[in-house]
Amino acid sequence: NAGVTQTPKFQVLKTGQSMTLQCAQDMNHEYMSWYRQDPGMGLRLIHYSVGAGITDQGEVPNGYNVSRSTTEDFPLRLLSAAPSQTSVYFCASSYSAGLAGGLYEQYFGPGTRLTVT
Amino acid sequence: AQKVTQAQTEISVVEKEDVTLDCVYETRDTTYYLFWYKQPPSGELVFLIRRNSFDEQNEISGRYSWNFQKSTSSFNFTITASQVVDSAVYFCALSETSGSRLTFGEGTQLTVNP
Repeated sequence: NAGVTQTPKFQVLKTGQSMTLQCAQDMNHEYMSWYRQDPGMGLRLIHYSVGAGITDQGEVPNGYNVSRSTTEDFPLRLLSAAPSQTSVYFCASSYSAGLAGGLYEQYFGPGTRLTVT
Repeated sequence: AQKVTQAQTEISVVEKEDVTLDCVYETRDTTYYLFWYKQPPSGELVFLIRRNSFDEQNEISGRYSWNFQKSTSSFNFTITASQVVDSAVYFCALSETSGSRLTFGEGTQLTVNP
């Protein structure tokens, strides 16, 4: 199994450009999520999905869009990049706890380092 | 709303010392899950433990141990006889059963010097 894969590993954008960060998992996990990591702020949840066709906002969703058309893929779209979106982005996936609630161990991808100039 | 606080931003110890990383959380749920993750200098996130709020027994795994105290809303992590390879950023996290979100603390940078 490849686990959780993210592309690209590094990206430099100019302000106003758009792009899509790719995330894929081959573990048949229902739950997928995107985080951004900034110095001194830990990881903050951007968007998450509990299954194909279902997405919801996390703590810092502004400026980002997601969709989940398949179980395997969960791309993150930056609509109009801003310097404040310079960060390291992590995608994660896990089994869903279903009606019992709560989350299981999250499997993280290797991260994408994005710089917006 | 759920919240996790790791008040220690940086800790520096000498090899073989014991070190405890603090984690305090806030939640209105009676059932929840607590996690610890390690992020070594290479940048990947490594899962260490997941603990159910109903299980207050301390957990030990080799040199790692975790102390869960519901009365003080704390889930502290101790490394015994620290090693240079333990140098990393350690994150505590909380998941409530009423939602599908994992909330992380700010992280503690641990440096173990030879």
